[in-house]
Amino acid sequence: ETGVTQTPRHLVMGMTNKKSLKCEQHLGHNAMYWYKQSAKKPLELMFVYSLEERVENNSVPSRFSPECPNSSHLFLHLHTLQPEDSALYLCASSQAPSAGGGDEQFFGPGTRLTVL
Amino acid sequence: AQSVTQLDSQVPVFEEAPVELRCNYSSSVSVYLFWYVQYPNQGLQLLLKYLSGSTLVESINGFEAEFNKSQTSFHLRKPSVHISDTAEYFCAVSERSGGSYIPTFGRGTSLIVHP
Repeated sequence: ETGVTQTPRHLVMGMTNKKSLKCEQHLGHNAMYWYKQSAKKPLELMFVYSLEERVENNSVPSRFSPECPNSSHLFLHLHTLQPEDSALYLCASSQAPSAGGGDEQFFGPGTRLTVL
Repeated sequence: AQSVTQLDSQVPVFEEAPVELRCNYSSSVSVYLFWYVQYPNQGLQLLLKYLSGSTLVESINGFEAEFNKSQTSFHLRKPSVHISDTAEYFCAVSERSGGSYIPTFGRGTSLIVHP
């Protein structure tokens, strides 16, 4: 595997379910990100981890819970979601968020989440 | 806080015609500028970026963007588009936030190339 991978690619869940999204990067990067992509809206940054520590949390509801056990893996735990949480969830990685600002981000293909 | 404006949500164009996708950002303090492209069912991938130096940057597939500090713009252009350029294009700006550089993305512009 190369680049950034995400599983599952598609997920349908009820509002009372608990599920997790997984992201893995094979690039040796130190920073990982979760984004929410909804139609006709800007990409919403949800969480940023640098060297496994959370450095940014953009006031995301507590029903989304991130976990970064090491620099290669990132999870997003979901529970009691709402229909408006349906979106494409993208994971990305970069060398580091503080490395001068010029680092590009490498994105996974996303998980298409539908909440019924 | 930084904001990124992509005024055009959709740009239809015929094949081999020129195209410009517009991007404006709110802050002229030291920033880094990016264009990403997203093809259907894929994640975003970097198209080009401006860090410093020459204000005109180019990608390997014929796109170019010009950093204009006075107008706080970073418009993307291509002199002749192909069907395969049909995709969603995102402008992003990275500026310092505390001890880190966090990117802000625009809403995206859907480029639709017709034969």
